[in-house]
Amino acid sequence: DGGITQSPKYLFRKEGQNVTLSCEQNLNHDAMYWYRQDPGQGLRLIYYSQIVNDFQKGDIAEGYSVSREKKESFPLTVTSAQKNPTAFYLCASSKRGLHNEQFFGPGTRLTVL
Amino acid sequence: GENVEQHPSTLSVQEGDSAVIKCTYSDSASNYFPWYKQELGKRPQLIIDIRSNVGEKKDQRIAVTLNKTAKHFSLHITETQPEDSAVYFCAASMITGTASKLTFGTGTRLQVTL
Repeated sequence: DGGITQSPKYLFRKEGQNVTLSCEQNLNHDAMYWYRQDPGQGLRLIYYSQIVNDFQKGDIAEGYSVSREKKESFPLTVTSAQKNPTAFYLCASSKRGLHNEQFFGPGTRLTVL
Repeated sequence: GENVEQHPSTLSVQEGDSAVIKCTYSDSASNYFPWYKQELGKRPQLIIDIRSNVGEKKDQRIAVTLNKTAKHFSLHITETQPEDSAVYFCAASMITGTASKLTFGTGTRLQVTL
């Protein structure tokens, strides 16, 4: 299960605080993605990046921000503007281009108290 | 944008029986349809995929069929085994600029009973 890692596995924050989730990959993949997984709702795309220093909003980007300063890293910040941040967050990576397999990290479960 | 519906949400079969999971999509521009399996407490993993120029694809006990006219695709698992128990997600991919973006279904929890 190596190749793409997320830390920490569990994260607790107080309401109103920003929090940054880590995602690192050593697969030499150009593309990286952030998904949110809620019970009964599948995986929903938050942000994605096809190349360093470039990223696009997904379907539910409001209240989130990302950066892509290095090929290996794609951190996600959950801001206080996100109304319902408690969820399971999955990071994924793939080769650049069309329709390549996405490899997922183990996920981070964020609980906002 | 794309919308993917997946049914059923839960499915229980006896070991050795077949299981079928169905998905429909809304955007006729979607042209790639992967299926991911997520075992309890683990990350999703790709198990099979199909592209729009193919109607059916098989890999041992699993197969996927695609009907582009009706905009639906299905996952078929034959001779189910306890290790097939997991949540299965279908997805549809459409091209946005130079990238492709996946839209996932809501998942099917498959339980294989002895």
